[in-house]
Amino acid sequence: KAGVTQTPRYLIKTRGQQVTLSCSPISGHRSVSWYQQTPGQGLQFLFEYFSETQRNKGNFPGRFSGRQFSNSRSEMNVSTLELGDSALYLCASSFPGSETQYFGPGTRLLVL
Amino acid sequence: SQQGEEDPQALSIQEGENATMNCSYKTSINNLQWYRQNSGRGLVHLILIRSNEREKHSGRLRVTLDTSKKSSSLLITASRAADTASYFCAASSGAAGNKLTFGGGTRVLVKP
Repeated sequence: KAGVTQTPRYLIKTRGQQVTLSCSPISGHRSVSWYQQTPGQGLQFLFEYFSETQRNKGNFPGRFSGRQFSNSRSEMNVSTLELGDSALYLCASSFPGSETQYFGPGTRLLVL
Repeated sequence: SQQGEEDPQALSIQEGENATMNCSYKTSINNLQWYRQNSGRGLVHLILIRSNEREKHSGRLRVTLDTSKKSSSLLITASRAADTASYFCAASSGAAGNKLTFGGGTRVLVKP
């Protein structure tokens, strides 16, 4: 099976812009979670989608949003980018009923 | 905010030696998971231990869990240069779904 894929892998944006990141889960996985990783804050949970519904949400401002499509692919959007949004964004998928998450390679976002 | 702390933050050992890292968490958990990350890439799931388990083995990995102390440890035996990576514990707790709260990680360097 193909692993979790994320596009793009690298992205450079400027403050105030918005960005959309994409995640394709492993075939058959219906849960997709998003995490932000920074040197200062470490790995932080953003949100989780299951069957097109947000099931869990972390403590991030409303500028961070996401959605999931009927094929379980997920996108996350960050509006009005700030310098502090520079990070590695990781998505992870899991099979229904499983607690093991499979992570993608991440999208590295740099905000200038 | 992070669920727990990991100790040590960094570890340097020779090939063939054992590496032990500890994780403490704050709230009650459903399970605790350990992940490995190579050089800012995606995370790889290593092992999951449920709250009613005390010890678990997987190949060269041994994980213990002490719920009374809210702590876990990961032991890598007979380490190899390829084990050089950052290791994270992640707590799954509370509501249904796949929300993981990560520790700060331990950077392990295995010298050949």
